[in-house]
Amino acid sequence: DAMVIQNPRYQVTQFGKPVTLSCSQTLNHNVMYWYQQKSSQAPKLLFHYYDKDFNNEADTPDNFQSRRPNTSFCFLDIRSPGLGDAAMYLCATSRVLSGGENEKLFFGSGTQLSVL
Amino acid sequence: KQEVTQIPAALSVPEGENLVLNCSFTDSAIYNLQWFRQDPGKGLTSLLLIQSSQREQTSGRLNASLDKSSGRSTLYIAASQPGDSATYLCAVRRLNDYKLSFGAGTTVTVRA
Repeated sequence: DAMVIQNPRYQVTQFGKPVTLSCSQTLNHNVMYWYQQKSSQAPKLLFHYYDKDFNNEADTPDNFQSRRPNTSFCFLDIRSPGLGDAAMYLCATSRVLSGGENEKLFFGSGTQLSVL
Repeated sequence: KQEVTQIPAALSVPEGENLVLNCSFTDSAIYNLQWFRQDPGKGLTSLLLIQSSQREQTSGRLNASLDKSSGRSTLYIAASQPGDSATYLCAVRRLNDYKLSFGAGTTVTVRA
């Protein structure tokens, strides 16, 4: 089945140790998003790509970086994780400008990041 | 900035009762609105998408309505079942924007 896959499912890192989360999609969607979600809170958009165009949210810390080497893959790099970065990280895709049901967001299962 | 609010934050009902979940948003210049379901520790699953020109969408036991002028959407789940227990989030996409603004969700518990 076409889907959005995130790896790893759980990630434990040490304070200040760089970590990379990955996302792949087989839907051929043109937009990919990274969201951060903390317990009982709304998902918070960190950045998104429209094709290769990168769009950073104004309040996303510089500690967070992203790469999209091709349509199928997208990476989230946290350069120096702090305790406050412990959260669920969600990748999502969408085919915008296609209209109607095709513009639904499809999410991966998420990566739960713990910082020790 | 678009603000999305979902009240109540939590809801518990007996099996068989109809569920009514509310979503309000501050900027009525929207492109579409989506309702999602999230199970504990999992990603989000899209349930229904309503275009700004539509008044409602239906899928099985789910029906979502949209009143753009008043900035409100309601998700109805008929004849609730224990398997409907989850957190339900709404998200709004503004015109000329690819980003969605999410509410914090309503956590539903359906008691057997």
